[in-house]
Amino acid sequence: EIVLTQSPATLSLSPGERATLSCRASQSVSSYLAWYQQKPGQAPRLLIYDVSRRATGFPARFSGSGSGTDFTLTISSLEPEDFAVYYCQQRSNWVTFGGGTKVEIK
Amino acid sequence: QGQLVQSGAEVKKSGASVKVSCTGSGYTFSDYGISWVRQAPGQGLEWMGWISVYNGHTKYAQKVQGRVTMTTDTSTSTAYMELRSLGSDDTAVYYCARDDRMKPADFDYWGQGTLVTVSS
Repeated sequence: EIVLTQSPATLSLSPGERATLSCRASQSVSSYLAWYQQKPGQAPRLLIYDVSRRATGFPARFSGSGSGTDFTLTISSLEPEDFAVYYCQQRSNWVTFGGGTKVEIK
Repeated sequence: QGQLVQSGAEVKKSGASVKVSCTGSGYTFSDYGISWVRQAPGQGLEWMGWISVYNGHTKYAQKVQGRVTMTTDTSTSTAYMELRSLGSDDTAVYYCARDDRMKPADFDYWGQGTLVTVSS
């Protein structure tokens, strides 16, 4: 099973700041890496797929990068609605999720 | 715009079974697959398995293999997930999500979730 490790577990930032979230895989997942956003009481929403492709409805301040085992989700300037939990997910070998990063208001 | 609507909350005794439904609309249901993902209270996401509505193939996560069965009914655009021999660690919100029809991939539409509570 491919293990995804997300860091940090919690990111405390202010609106307008840049957020950088990391996802590391225990073995290469090629480009089969997605990110999801989840707000309290809601289902997750697909945010990024295939490392860097933004899903419908998400603005350009969200971007994904990386390859192989190391991946990054960047939010260039945090808006109030961006404070949420973010999960990475691989589909290279079955499906696994990372443990999540909570982006909270500082 | 596609939508998935799940059945309501369930309370079950340890050792019982639960069957959750997921009805799709706004897209051609049989052209896709459905994955099931669960989330224990305050915890992260756990993928349980996938079924291709297109050809009926299934893949189950090792953790629930042997206790889970995923099926579909194309006449009603509904997918089902049955989990047997429930234990307290099966208490979670269960989500269905639209997936690729050939293999588990990414999940672009999600159901609203079904809370399953297992009590002793």
